[in-house]
Amino acid sequence: DVQLVESGGGLVQPGGSLRLSCEGSGFTFNNYWMSWVRQAPGKGLEWVANIRKDGSIKNYADSLKGRITISRDNSRNSLSLQLDSLRAEDTAVYYCARYPGNSAYADSWGQGTLVTVSS
Amino acid sequence: DIQMTQSPSTLSASVGDRVTLTCRASQSISNRLAWYQQKSGKAPKPLIYMASTLESGVPSRFSGSGSGTEFTLTISSLQPDDFATYYCQHYEAYPITFGQGTRLEIK
Repeated sequence: DVQLVESGGGLVQPGGSLRLSCEGSGFTFNNYWMSWVRQAPGKGLEWVANIRKDGSIKNYADSLKGRITISRDNSRNSLSLQLDSLRAEDTAVYYCARYPGNSAYADSWGQGTLVTVSS
Repeated sequence: DIQMTQSPSTLSASVGDRVTLTCRASQSISNRLAWYQQKSGKAPKPLIYMASTLESGVPSRFSGSGSGTEFTLTISSLQPDDFATYYCQHYEAYPITFGQGTRLEIK
């Protein structure tokens, strides 16, 4: 079975940094684009970033560009999201998701990890 | 950016009803549209991609249609498990955007 397991969330102060991780299993990780999507409490879904199979192409949401970095380590079946200069409005559940083929819709999602930005 | 607008925001319906949810794109996205179902506290579940292709394992009472700027998700006969929030998402270009969601509640 395909599994995506996020980790790394927690409470961080405004201006702080956090690194989220997602470990994939049950599929050939380096055959898939991967993505991060977030959801603020009580709000809708917001695409954050995605990364090509080999890590050579990265796309970011404009609202977060400059403050986030997506990366992957295919040898470890691992996806990461570095979050810097965090703001209260970055408080959200961050989901890791997999894209089949070359289309940017997510056919498998992790359970999410909660990031809370507060003093 | 391509804006996705879902209607209605909330829909009240009963078990057995046929319901249709609408998603409109601010410009043509061909058929590059996906639908997801989300229940409270859970990750989104993919239902449909390419506007009308059902994900594996999704019941046949779900169907999607449309192209260009107008899309619909239809549930032919509501089941108790279907009461949830539904999101559309385009993947025509970056940035990828989602609709604001339609909450389907029990009447």
